[in-house]
Amino acid sequence: QQQVKQSPQSLIVQKGGISIINCAYENTAFDYFPWYQQFPGKGPALLIAIRPDVSEKKEGRFTISFNKSAKQFSLHIMDSQPGDSATYFCAAAISSGSARQLTFGSGTQLTVLP
Amino acid sequence: DSGVTQTPKHLITATGQRVTLRCSPRSGDLSVYWYQQSLDQGLQFLIQYYNGEERAKGNILERFSAQQFPDLHSELNLSSLELGDSALYFCASSVSGAGSYEQYFGPGTRLTVT
Repeated sequence: QQQVKQSPQSLIVQKGGISIINCAYENTAFDYFPWYQQFPGKGPALLIAIRPDVSEKKEGRFTISFNKSAKQFSLHIMDSQPGDSATYFCAAAISSGSARQLTFGSGTQLTVLP
Repeated sequence: DSGVTQTPKHLITATGQRVTLRCSPRSGDLSVYWYQQSLDQGLQFLIQYYNGEERAKGNILERFSAQQFPDLHSELNLSSLELGDSALYFCASSVSGAGSYEQYFGPGTRLTVT
């Protein structure tokens, strides 16, 4: 029930294209869904996040779509650029007061071809 | 730069040894989280401290322990090290107040056990 399943494992997109990464979860107690971007040798960097009472959130070229009934959420990267080439992780958090526990998906390695 | 600092960047040690990893959170953040990232297990939550007290516990081995000091820096102690403990260890911090969920990751410590 704590798992977050992420797909695809790897993704190759042409410059200017749309990158789509999907995640699914089982535990309805999750109350926060962030996406992280990680470059080789660096720590994960928070990209964008959504709460379950919202179906979509957009920040620049990055959009999260959230389907509460299906227990799925996805990251869309519009106008993908070679600089977006990185590993992307979805995550889901369970919160209780000041306690937060993030469960991460397995990651998607995105390559954007020039 | 997330504002979270971790030392050392790299650590090479032998099986059976004990090491201490250090983390300084962003200014004003009360929570510190520890994560382990390995090829086979992905990114796994280990433990959270909030203002000096343990708040959430994940898949942390009994050989591992952590603490958060009055100045809010945290240390992760790994003992009786095994080859399988070789991994990247990340620290993250957050405010953890009401409605605040964002976690910001440090650059990590790469631990190699030989």
